[in-house]
Amino acid sequence: DQQVKQNSPSLSVQEGRISILNCDYTNSMFDYFLWYKKYPAEGPTFLISISSIKDKNEDGRFTVFLNKSAKHLSLHIVPSQPGDSAVYFCAASRAAGGTSYGKLTFGQGTILTVHP
Amino acid sequence: DGGITQSPKYLFRKEGQNVTLSCEQNLNHDAMYWYRQDPGQGLRLIYYSQIVNDFQKGDIAEGYSVSREKKESFPLTVTSAQKNPTAFYLCASSAPGQGIQYFGPGTRLLVL
Repeated sequence: DQQVKQNSPSLSVQEGRISILNCDYTNSMFDYFLWYKKYPAEGPTFLISISSIKDKNEDGRFTVFLNKSAKHLSLHIVPSQPGDSAVYFCAASRAAGGTSYGKLTFGQGTILTVHP
Repeated sequence: DGGITQSPKYLFRKEGQNVTLSCEQNLNHDAMYWYRQDPGQGLRLIYYSQIVNDFQKGDIAEGYSVSREKKESFPLTVTSAQKNPTAFYLCASSAPGQGIQYFGPGTRLLVL
């Protein structure tokens, strides 16, 4: 049962344009969402997160949007740069407490390629 | 310089052999996690530990074992019972009340 899904395996954009990566989830108990960036043969690097009490969080070129009713989140990168080329994973968790403390459920990842 | 270290970077396992992957953190985090990544897939949780001397199975614990004798260390043993061990293994840690997990550089396990 895939609770977090990234339906686009890959995305290609031109340098300077906007990149939009999408993620859907099915478990309504999730209340904290994260995006990670990963290069081949390296560990994921945390990018940005959002709590379910918000619908938008911004950090520099990165903005995450959360639509709870649709169980959908997206990551916007503006402007996109060639160095942004990597695999992007969305992840979801429940708040600390109970037996599910801190567990992250990951999507399959989207390969972003930014062309110069 | 705080962070998470994993060793070795590459590990080769022979048939029927148990191998142990090391994970150390100096972030003073209570919780530590082991994930497995297969090509084209997301990360899947193997085991996690919230405190010393306590750990819980994740989604794919069969064929793996862990220990948590020290706060800084969370080694993962891939046993001979794991029939498909070839994967990229990632260790992570997080602070109490924090949803963000920080990852090590990973260990690639290959079967000879």
